[in-house]
Amino acid sequence: AQSVTQLGSHVSVSEGALVLLRCNYSSSVPPYLFWYVQYPNQGLQLLLKYTTGATLVKGINGFEAEFKKSETSFHLTKPSAHMSDAAEYFCAVSRGTNAGKSTFGDGTTLTVKP
Amino acid sequence: DTEVTQTPKHLVMGMTNKKSLKCEQHMGHRAMYWYKQKAKKPPELMFVYSYEKLSINESVPSRFSPECPNSSLLNLHLHALQPEDSALYLCASSQVDLGLAGHNEQFFGPGTRLTVL
Repeated sequence: AQSVTQLGSHVSVSEGALVLLRCNYSSSVPPYLFWYVQYPNQGLQLLLKYTTGATLVKGINGFEAEFKKSETSFHLTKPSAHMSDAAEYFCAVSRGTNAGKSTFGDGTTLTVKP
Repeated sequence: DTEVTQTPKHLVMGMTNKKSLKCEQHMGHRAMYWYKQKAKKPPELMFVYSYEKLSINESVPSRFSPECPNSSLLNLHLHALQPEDSALYLCASSQVDLGLAGHNEQFFGPGTRLTVL
C-alpha cells in the first residue's frame, strides 16, 4: 500500500519569503512522486514529478522538490514566494503501473501575505 | 493540445433528474479518470478507464455510471443523485505506463461544479 502525508494543512508566508511545503510518503516499491497545484475553482495542474534519476526536480513557476529516499520525503520549495502562488497544493504518490491509482495527500493551503 | 475540457462548468439538478458530464482530450492519452472533490479535500478517485475499458471502480454507487465511447471522450451519467453528491467532478487523462520511465502524470480538466437539490 502507498500513502502520503502532508505536514501542515495551512502554510502562510510573506511575499518574497521561502516557501516550504512538506510531503512524506510510504510505499513498498520505488515510488513516482508528484506535486500538483489547484487554484480556486480550477482543476489540478502538475508542478513537477519524480520518477527516476536526479533527485532534485525542477518544476514550473520556480518550484523544485528533492526526493530523499532515506527520509521518505519529497518536500516542495520555492526561494521567493509571489502573491500568485497562493493556492492549494497536493502531493501524490503512484506506483506507476499501467493506468493506476495515484494517492493524494490531504493538501496544503498556501497563503501569501503582502 | 494539452488540454482536458469538461462540460458543463456548472450543473444544478434535482434528485430525480438524469444528467451527464462530459470530458474530452486530444493528447492521445489512453487512460482517463473521474474524480470527486469536496471542498478543501483531495480528489477522490471514482473510475479509471484504460484503452476504453473500465479498469478501476472504487466502489462507486450505481447512480454514477461511466462511459468511454472512444479514446478521446469520457462521460459520467448521473441518475437519482443525493445532496451529498454535490461536489466538483474532475476528469483527468494520462498515458498508460508500460512499466518504463513512468509517464502517468495526470492532466486535469477544470471540473464540473455539481449541485444536487
